[in-house]
Amino acid sequence: AQSVTQLDSQVPVFEEAPVELRCNYSSSVSVYLFWYVQYPNQGLQLLLKYLSGSTLVKGINGFEAEFNKSQTSFHLRKPSVHISDTAEYFCAVSLWDGGYQKVTFGTGTKLQVIP
Amino acid sequence: EAQVTQNPRYLITVTGKKLTVTCSQNMNHEYMSWYRQDPGLGLRQIYYSMNVEVTDKGDVPEGYKVSRKEKRNFPLILESPSPNQTSLYFCASSRTGIYGYTFGSGTRLTVV
Repeated sequence: AQSVTQLDSQVPVFEEAPVELRCNYSSSVSVYLFWYVQYPNQGLQLLLKYLSGSTLVKGINGFEAEFNKSQTSFHLRKPSVHISDTAEYFCAVSLWDGGYQKVTFGTGTKLQVIP
Repeated sequence: EAQVTQNPRYLITVTGKKLTVTCSQNMNHEYMSWYRQDPGLGLRQIYYSMNVEVTDKGDVPEGYKVSRKEKRNFPLILESPSPNQTSLYFCASSRTGIYGYTFGSGTRLTVV
């Protein structure tokens, strides 16, 4: 079975500073990887995904993530954050499990951008 | 506009009173899924469906039922709600799981 660990439950960062949100996963087979963002009182929105190919994946709103197979990590980065990036971010992994593409989510990281 | 629509957004009910949360998608997606979100626990899958009349249990199915009689609809049924089912619920759909899910806006359920 796969699992997802988001090491930080909260990350405060000043506006215009860079940020990295960490995600590690465990799985014995190949996985697909995702980051979602949840703004207050809204559902989750897909930020980016890694299916195959280049390990550096670019998403919406200036975010990017790097897949590192040897370290089983998929950390999310942004070089300069804005107030509007304040939200909760979820890492997720997906793999085939008994004929179904099962998705497992991490526990989330709350990004607080400080003016 | 492509979307997943859940209703109601907010619901307060009493223990034991049957309720249904509706979910509808207009993207012709095969996969649909229900999650509950609780502080510190992230999203946990309740039930999922790969197509019409094909449903299966997720990680926390106890106390819930679903049905998939039409491709677009995937209602969540709580036949005898209990306070431990107080949570934020999300419906989501996907063409297949590898392309990512589109989420509804959520239903905040309180069982007293």
